[in-house]
Amino acid sequence: EIVLTQSPATLSLSPGERATLSCRASQSVSSYLAWYQQKPGLAPRLLIYDASNRATGIPARFSGSGSGTDFTLTISSLEPEDFAVYYCQQRSDWPRTFGQGTKVEIK
Amino acid sequence: EVQLVESGGGLVQPGGSLRLSCSASGFTFSSYAMHWVRQAPGKGLEYVSAVSSNGDSTYYADSVKGRFTISRDNSKNTLYLQMSSLRAEDTAVYYCVQVNSGWYKYWGQGTLVTVSS
Repeated sequence: EIVLTQSPATLSLSPGERATLSCRASQSVSSYLAWYQQKPGLAPRLLIYDASNRATGIPARFSGSGSGTDFTLTISSLEPEDFAVYYCQQRSDWPRTFGQGTKVEIK
Repeated sequence: EVQLVESGGGLVQPGGSLRLSCSASGFTFSSYAMHWVRQAPGKGLEYVSAVSSNGDSTYYADSVKGRFTISRDNSKNTLYLQMSSLRAEDTAVYYCVQVNSGWYKYWGQGTLVTVSS
């Protein structure tokens, strides 16, 4: 099973600041990596797929990069609605796996 | 508009059974693979099971293999998850998910399964 390790576990930032979230895979997943955002009580929402493609309707302040084993989600300037938990997920192999999540909280 | 509506969750005793349903609308159900993903209270996301668009192929997480069965009825636009031999660690919100170009683009609102005596 491919293990995805996200860091940091919690990121404390202020609105307007830049957020950089990391996801490391235990083996190469090529570019088969996605990022999801989840707010309390709601289902996750797809942000980025294939490592760097924004999903429909996702603002340009969200960007993804990386390939192989190291990936980054960047939020260029945090808006109040961006404070949430973010998960990475791979579809390179079965079983599909998720990272443990990074919580972006208001400082 | 794509809609996925789960039902069938509730309280069940350890060792019991439950069947979840997911009613799909707004897209051609028979053209898409479908997955179940769960989230234990306060925890992260966990893939549970997958079924191909025609139902011929199924996949399971090791944690549920032999206890859960995924199926679909394309004539009714409905996805199912039959859960048996339930354990406390199966307590979670279960999401029905449409797989679009390999990714989890559309999610249901989730249904809560609580396994407790």
